[in-house]
Amino acid sequence: EVVMTQSPATLSVSPGERATLSCRASQSVTSNLAWYQQKPGQAPRLLMYGVSTRATGIPPRFSGSGSGTQFTLTISSLQSEDFAVYYCHQYNSWPRTFGQGTKVEVK
Amino acid sequence: QVQLQESGPGLVKPSETLSLTCTVSGDSITNYYWSWIRQPAGKGPEWIGHIYSRGGTNYNPSLKSRVTMSVDTSKSQFSLRLSSVTAADTAIYFCARVATLYSSSWIDYWGPGTLVIVSS
Repeated sequence: EVVMTQSPATLSVSPGERATLSCRASQSVTSNLAWYQQKPGQAPRLLMYGVSTRATGIPPRFSGSGSGTQFTLTISSLQSEDFAVYYCHQYNSWPRTFGQGTKVEVK
Repeated sequence: QVQLQESGPGLVKPSETLSLTCTVSGDSITNYYWSWIRQPAGKGPEWIGHIYSRGGTNYNPSLKSRVTMSVDTSKSQFSLRLSSVTAADTAIYFCARVATLYSSSWIDYWGPGTLVIVSS
């Protein structure tokens, strides 16, 4: 099983600032990596797939990078609606696995 | 746009079987993979398994001995059964659609989720 480790667990950022979230895989997942955003009481929403392809309707302030075992989600200028928990997810091998999440909170 | 909705009992007794159904609307259930994921309170999601609209399945080995998924294309529904439940199975259960491109497949749309509590 591929273990996905996200850091930091909590990221405190001021609105308008840049946020950088990290995700590390215990073995290579090539480019089969997705990011989800989850707000309280809601289902996760797909942000990125294939490391860097934005899902439908996702604004360009969200970008993804990396390959193999190290990945980054960057939010260039945090908006109020971006404060949430973010999960990375590998779909390169079975079983599919998720990270434990990074909470982006208001500083 | 596809919409998914979970339904089923919110309370299940220990050792009994959890049964949930997901109803798909806004798109055809055929020619897609569909998934169940669960999320215990305060934790990350856990993938339970995938089922293809024509019936092929892939389950998480940690749950495989207790999981059964099925699909009813005539009703645009797919289902999850998890047997011999314990308190550790208490979680929000989500159904979801799986997008595919060549040999890659990722979860794109999720239902709102349903809380299942295992308790006597």
